[in-house]
Amino acid sequence: DAMVIQNPRYQVTQFGKPVTLSCSQTLNHNVMYWYQQKSSQAPKLLFHYYDKDFNNEADTPDNFQSRRPNTSFCFLDIRSPGLGDAAMYLCATRPDRGDEQFFGPGTRLTVL
Amino acid sequence: EDQVTQSPEALRLQEGESSSLNCSYTVSGLRGLFWYRQDPGKGPEFLFTLYSAGEEKEKERLKATLTKKESFLHITAPKPEDSATYLCAVRYISNFGNEKLTFGTGTRLTIIP
Repeated sequence: DAMVIQNPRYQVTQFGKPVTLSCSQTLNHNVMYWYQQKSSQAPKLLFHYYDKDFNNEADTPDNFQSRRPNTSFCFLDIRSPGLGDAAMYLCATRPDRGDEQFFGPGTRLTVL
Repeated sequence: EDQVTQSPEALRLQEGESSSLNCSYTVSGLRGLFWYRQDPGKGPEFLFTLYSAGEEKEKERLKATLTKKESFLHITAPKPEDSATYLCAVRYISNFGNEKLTFGTGTRLTIIP
């Protein structure tokens, strides 16, 4: 089945220790998104790629970076995680000419 | 300020008790309104897209409607498996001319057997 896969599902890191979350898709969609969702809050868009074009939201902290080496994969790098970065991180994809976003299961990040 | 507000925050219903969830928005330049279902610890699952006032979409026990200022998700004779958080998202053109997608905080629905 075509899908959006996120690894790992659960990630524990220490305060200040860099961490990378990964997302892969078999849908061949051009657009990929990274969202941060804290408990009982709305998903908050961090950035998105339209093909290789990177689009950063104005209020996304510099601590968050992203890479998209090819259509299928996208990575979220948190350079120096703080306690406030503990959250669920959601990856989503969208086809060029569609509006529906397809979400992965998310990675729950814990910062100790 | 562009906003998406969902109400109520939480709703508990008896099995079979129909009700409606509300999503109101104050954006201009609407490009689409989306409803998602999110189960605990999982990513949102797409339900519906609505584009213009008067449009309606149905799927099993769910029906979504749209006016110029709000959308309703009607749940008819719900079952316990309908328990989830229902998220609304609005795609629109911001004051700066770029396209944005903003989610509401969701309605946590619990259906009691």
